[in-house]
Amino acid sequence: SQKIEQNSEALNIQEGKTATLTCNYTNYSPAYLQWYRQDPGRGPVFLLLIRENEKEKRKERLKVTFDTTLKQSLFHITASQPADSATYLCALNTGNQFYFGTGTSLTVIP
Amino acid sequence: GAGVSQTPSNKVTEKGKYVELRCDPISGHTALYWYRQSLGQGPEFLIYFQGTGAADDSGLPNDRFFAVRPEGSVSTLKIQRTERGDSAVYLCASSLTRSSLTSTDTQYFGPGTRLTVL
Repeated sequence: SQKIEQNSEALNIQEGKTATLTCNYTNYSPAYLQWYRQDPGRGPVFLLLIRENEKEKRKERLKVTFDTTLKQSLFHITASQPADSATYLCALNTGNQFYFGTGTSLTVIP
Repeated sequence: GAGVSQTPSNKVTEKGKYVELRCDPISGHTALYWYRQSLGQGPEFLIYFQGTGAADDSGLPNDRFFAVRPEGSVSTLKIQRTERGDSAVYLCASSLTRSSLTSTDTQYFGPGTRLTVL
């Protein structure tokens, strides 16, 4: 089965800076990889999807990259805001199943 | 329209009891997933329904866990003889369809049911 590792348990950055979160996986590359945001007491909310043949995907202040050689995805939040504080999860699919990482907790300090 | 809803939001039970957790997916969504999330962990896949049938139940940890979706809409996750280790947040998600292995339909998650087994 897939093993997914996300960087550091918690990431604290200053407002306005760029946050970079890492997702590494083992075994074979998935057809696509997703990033979700999860706030305390709530279910994950879908943010972005990137396919294996795409290098980069952007949505407003969010950017995701996908390197199938390194087996890694990077998730960037530019011009970070305190409202971006949450846990961010990466997920990839193999067949019918989705595997989630443990998540990275991001705190944006005003 | 309404999102995915789950009831109850919290469930406290005693070891050995039977519990049912309900999920109401978004109307028209044919794919439905159940996950379990322990504190500090990501969601762990349990079972996936396409319509009324369980397309993949390989994530169910043992035969105490069972899920149904008799009319292709509402789903119920059933746990028999609950154990303290079953304590977690149980999440349900639905998507419009999951017609192929490379389908990219977005999963919409409910708020979860927090199960505590004493």
